[in-house]
Amino acid sequence: DAKTTQPTSMDCAEGRAANLPCNHSTISGNEYVYWYRQIHSQGPQYIIHGLKNNETNEMASLIITEDRKSSTLILPHATLRDTAVYYCIVTRVYNQAGTALIFGKGTTLSVSS
Amino acid sequence: GAVVSQHPSRVICKSGTSVKIECRSLDFQATTMFWYRQFPKQSLMLMATSNEGSKATYEQGVEKDKFLINHASLTLSTLTVTSAHPEDSSFYICSASGGTGATNEKLFFGSGTQLSVL
Repeated sequence: DAKTTQPTSMDCAEGRAANLPCNHSTISGNEYVYWYRQIHSQGPQYIIHGLKNNETNEMASLIITEDRKSSTLILPHATLRDTAVYYCIVTRVYNQAGTALIFGKGTTLSVSS
Repeated sequence: GAVVSQHPSRVICKSGTSVKIECRSLDFQATTMFWYRQFPKQSLMLMATSNEGSKATYEQGVEKDKFLINHASLTLSTLTVTSAHPEDSSFYICSASGGTGATNEKLFFGSGTQLSVL
């Protein structure tokens, strides 16, 4: 299973872009990169996912390097409500019952005014 | 996005009692549901996977007789913590998917249940 490496914590000023890096050097060719976030005492919230092309949605942009060994999640204009733990995930469990997401330790993003 | 409803959000119980947590998919049929557990300041740990109408598949180290999972319909899965003890106190989170098995399938998560066993 591919594993990810993320910084433990990051700080960002409100209104600035938050760039969260993730290394996944052992990713397989058919594994997607997912990003979820978890605000304290809530369930994880889906942000974005991609395979090899850059992706953008209303929440964020995902930049994946050409060799797919790393990616960056970009929150273009961070707000205080973006303070959360951000998980970069490339591992899924494949078993007879289905697939799942395996969470690493994530990055705690603190947005301050 | 799809909505997964989880109840209760918080429960306090005495040691030795059983607690049931419900997870419902509100606007889609959840062929597969997953249960996670999260201890303070730690990441989510997968406990088990269940398909509708089938027995759950438990991760290594998770006691199937202690954590009973029932996935009787395409919209409801329940996790029952039997004979709860203080060490079972944790944040329990469910997630659901349409069960296509595709590698790019999104999972949607419930809001979690904080269990405190006295």
